[in-house]
Amino acid sequence: SQELEQSPQSLIVQEGKNLTINCTSSKTLYGLYWYKQKYGEGLIFLMMLQKGGEEKSHEKITAKLDEKKQQSSLHITASQPSHAGIYLCGALRVDYKLSFGAGTTVTVRA
Amino acid sequence: NAGVTQTPKFQVLKTGQSMTLQCAQDMNHEYMSWYRQDPGMGLRLIHYSVGAGITDQGEVPNGYNVSRSTTEDFPLRLLSAAPSQTSVYFCASSFQTGIEGGYTFGSGTRLTVV
Repeated sequence: SQELEQSPQSLIVQEGKNLTINCTSSKTLYGLYWYKQKYGEGLIFLMMLQKGGEEKSHEKITAKLDEKKQQSSLHITASQPSHAGIYLCGALRVDYKLSFGAGTTVTVRA
Repeated sequence: NAGVTQTPKFQVLKTGQSMTLQCAQDMNHEYMSWYRQDPGMGLRLIHYSVGAGITDQGEVPNGYNVSRSTTEDFPLRLLSAAPSQTSVYFCASSFQTGIEGGYTFGSGTRLTVV
């Protein structure tokens, strides 16, 4: 969706290093989802954020939703090969439709 | 629980043929939706349903039909396949739109139209 921009489109990170993915919406977000996808597979739910300023963590992945609820970031600490894949942000709109960004491809090099 | 089951996993069609992609969920989810995924474009919403008997269009509905006669099933019909419909199709379901836990996705159907 052009309403939802992800950056960068792809990144390569050395194992053990941190990385950050950004997701910016041109409209107010009623909920922001982060999913991970391995090539050729379905999407795996990571986290959902709803409130401005909200921050959630799971293992080494942290997601934040900014105060004005139009931008979110996903941060991975000390990346591992298991973190490789495509990360997608999804925006929940007022009509309950869920639209997605184009995705960020993460490669972790040993 | 099986979750969201999509069949077939792979399909090759000739231009002009019709077919139905099947999606079934056993979680009693009210909300179901179909997406297509193309390189560099993320997932685009084709059609969605907020309950049995109710469907609506998403971003890219042309060339596709849906129906929702039961809570469990949400088939996607391609009326006359075109090469532009070559894509990976995902079905997703949710108990309530926006609820914590997100949408559960099927493993996808990879469709090639020649």
